[in-house]
Amino acid sequence: DSGVTQTPKHLITATGQRVTLRCSPRSGDLSVYWYQQSLDQGLQFLIQYYNGEERAKGNILERFSAQQFPDLHSELNLSSLELGDSALYFCASSGMTSSYNEQFFGPGTRLTVL
Amino acid sequence: AQSVSQHNHHVILSEAASLELGCNYSYGGTVNLFWYVQYPGQHLQLLLKYFSGDPLVKGIKGFEAEFIKSKFSFNLRKPSVQWSDTAEYFCAVTSSTGGFKTIFGAGTRLFVKA
Repeated sequence: DSGVTQTPKHLITATGQRVTLRCSPRSGDLSVYWYQQSLDQGLQFLIQYYNGEERAKGNILERFSAQQFPDLHSELNLSSLELGDSALYFCASSGMTSSYNEQFFGPGTRLTVL
Repeated sequence: AQSVSQHNHHVILSEAASLELGCNYSYGGTVNLFWYVQYPGQHLQLLLKYFSGDPLVKGIKGFEAEFIKSKFSFNLRKPSVQWSDTAEYFCAVTSSTGGFKTIFGAGTRLFVKA
């Protein structure tokens, strides 16, 4: 158990819908990262937050957005869902400003878009 | 563009065989290097990491990796694999020129035959 929790574990929804994925980092970690893992794209970095502020942006679509709240949990919002958004979404956390440190991954949320 | 390449996408070995998984990166500047492992149905977890110092890094479960700066490589090795090493292995890199992003390789799926 990494100490990072993600909810829900599984999510099944339809195209065009909007979903919210939730992540709670390890106690004391200020940085939260979101990744998308799919069979064809591999593990793709989406976005990083540090203590509530966006820190780095990766291959995140405009239909996706994220935020980190004062209690440090983070949410990833996916809207206008398409079939290709079906993937495993991982959250990770780390304890320092940069991602030079080890990241601790959560169990992931498996999103299926029908 | 900054990238991480893992040469082998699928590797099949028999138990007790030696393992070497290749990882090359295209970053400049100071790099921090990681190998993560994802066992079937589980989240990613850190195997080992290199920040500075001795370029030969030892990790958990008998794994080691060698950072060769001149070759931009960080290959993962294990002298004798076990069936329980069946998993997907990801090389990851952050760099001083890459902002705060961690870029993951595409992963190598290792299957160890008992």
